[in-house]
Amino acid sequence: GQQLNQSPQSMFIQEGEDVSMNCTSSSIFNTWLWYKQDPGEGPVLLIALYKAGELTSNGRLTAQFGITRKDSFLNISASIPSDVGIYFCAGQLGGSNYKLTFGKGTLLTVNP
Amino acid sequence: NAGVTQTPKFRVLKTGQSMTLLCAQDMNHEYMYWYRQDPGMGLRLIHYSVGEGTTAKGEVPDGYNVSRLKKQNFLLGLESAAPSQTSVYFCASTRGFEQFFGPGTRLTVL
Repeated sequence: GQQLNQSPQSMFIQEGEDVSMNCTSSSIFNTWLWYKQDPGEGPVLLIALYKAGELTSNGRLTAQFGITRKDSFLNISASIPSDVGIYFCAGQLGGSNYKLTFGKGTLLTVNP
Repeated sequence: NAGVTQTPKFRVLKTGQSMTLLCAQDMNHEYMYWYRQDPGMGLRLIHYSVGEGTTAKGEVPDGYNVSRLKKQNFLLGLESAAPSQTSVYFCASTRGFEQFFGPGTRLTVL
């Protein structure tokens, strides 16, 4: 099946630093999504990208849908302690079942 | 509006026992999904449903069965639990591309 390579696997940063993570795939996706999972909770959608080249922001978060449709990145600016969690990318190939393929996640730790 | 809820939150089983996990959504979504999450593995799709009365296999369906008798409910069953099924199970529903997740069920099989 399709695989998403998400990197880095983990990051340990200081509060106030910017963060960047990305996902790459051997397959073309029609939609890219970024989720965040807090400890003990289910993933929550942060940003959805629907068009190649699209750059979308949500507060301090910015994500882009790669031109080749095989990659996406997420940036977090001026990190704060509540940014701690696992960030997942997910891609959707298309079709009527809306199935998603998830990356393995990036564990973000923010040191106050 | 509760969104997606899952029952139970925690469960410990012995090898060979059976159980059913319940997922309920109040958003009138057609599509529902069951995932498992294991450390370092991300979320892997077990089974999914595109509407009431329909189910389909996902990436890791072996050892699990599902039923969608009512639109708002999606049940995940383990007929004979194995230690390899120790995991956190998440249910999700969608109105399109944006899947909404429940809080998860942490299952341990001894």
